Amino acid sequence: EAGVVQSPRYKIIEKKQPVAFWCNPISGHNTLYWYRQNLGQGPELLIRYENEEAVDDSQLPKDRFSAERLKGVDSTLKIQPAELGDSAVYLCASSLGLAGFDEQFFGPGTRLTVL
Amino acid sequence: AQSVTQLGSHVSVSEGALVLLRCNYSSSVPPYLFWYVQYPNQGLQLLLKYTSAATLVKGINGFEAEFKKSETSFHLTKPSAHMSDAAEYFCAVSETSGTYKYIFGTGTRLKVLA
Repeated sequence: EAGVVQSPRYKIIEKKQPVAFWCNPISGHNTLYWYRQNLGQGPELLIRYENEEAVDDSQLPKDRFSAERLKGVDSTLKIQPAELGDSAVYLCASSLGLAGFDEQFFGPGTRLTVL
Repeated sequence: AQSVTQLGSHVSVSEGALVLLRCNYSSSVPPYLFWYVQYPNQGLQLLLKYTSAATLVKGINGFEAEFKKSETSFHLTKPSAHMSDAAEYFCAVSETSGTYKYIFGTGTRLKVLA
């Protein structure tokens, strides 16, 4: 079974430029998560989708971040414009259901460096 | 609000020695608790989880954790460390209702000495 796929794995951009990350979850997983992981920290949830619906985006900086999951499968996270403080690893995860005890399966992440 | 605290950002043990990684949580009701491991340049992988069944939970790779409500703890242990255990370990807590949001600790980097 293929795991969670993310691309690109690494991205270097200059501040004020736009950037987009793509995630393809495990087939059949209804719930998709985007996390940001700063150096030396644990992942922090940005947004959670149940199928196509964003059920929790309370931690997403909506002035510059946007996300979509149009067909309830793959998802894109965008930052426009990027700031120096956005440098981090962006992790995508998926789970079969929404229950708190469901295991989340993580992709390898996209390491973003903003210069 | 829920929170999770991992004591010790770095832990070093000798190969063959006991591994003990500490996790304490704060929650108004007993939550779900998890331990994840992250190897370099990889995503997180579930080691084990507590979902209100047995308080001693066995996971993959010989790890286990014990839920202690009186101490609000969920420490991770392994009797004998192996070089391949070197990684970052994250404790996480999830609500058992409502938003089911995961809250991750700041992580503990385990170093195994030959």
